[in-house]
Amino acid sequence: DIQMTQSPSSLSASVGDRVTISCRASQSVGGYLNWYQQKPGKGPKLLVATTSNLQTGVPSRFSGSASGTNFTLTISSLQSEDFATYYCLQSYSTPPTFGRGTTVEIK
Amino acid sequence: EVQLVESGGGFAQPGGSLRLSCAASGFTFGSYVMSWVRQTPGKGLEWVSSISGSGTTRYADSVKGRFIISRDNSENTLFLQMNSLRADDTAVYYCAKSGSGWYLLDYWGHGALVTVSA
Repeated sequence: DIQMTQSPSSLSASVGDRVTISCRASQSVGGYLNWYQQKPGKGPKLLVATTSNLQTGVPSRFSGSASGTNFTLTISSLQSEDFATYYCLQSYSTPPTFGRGTTVEIK
Repeated sequence: EVQLVESGGGFAQPGGSLRLSCAASGFTFGSYVMSWVRQTPGKGLEWVSSISGSGTTRYADSVKGRFIISRDNSENTLFLQMNSLRADDTAVYYCAKSGSGWYLLDYWGHGALVTVSA
């Protein structure tokens, strides 16, 4: 199975801050790395698909990038509605595997 | 608007069974792979099973031989039959639709809580 190592597990930030979240894959995932946002009591919401494809309706302050097997989700200017938990998912091979999540908290 | 609504969660004893359902709307159900994913505080998000529109299935090793995924394309409904339940199957179970390929999960339901306890 491909292991997804996500960091940090949590962070505190202020509105307007630039935030970066990382996921490292244990082997190639061919760019099939997706990012999700989850708020309490709800299912995850897809933000970015296949490394850098922003989903319709997702604000442009969210972006995804990659360098080899290291993937990054960036929030350029954190807004109050962005306080949530973020997960990565590799959809390249069976079984698909998730990172352990990053909780973004208010500083 | 895509909607996925899970039902059938609840309590079961170890060794017991439960059947989850997921009612789908807002898209051509039979054209897409559908999946179940579960979430616990301890293990996070864990893929459970997926089924193609034509019925090809895939399972996580942890549930293979105990869980059965199925679908009724005429009723736009996804199912998960869970047998021989164990305490570590306790989780919130999500139904999810794939956008492309098997595992690009683009829409999720709100989840159904399954608790396995004596």
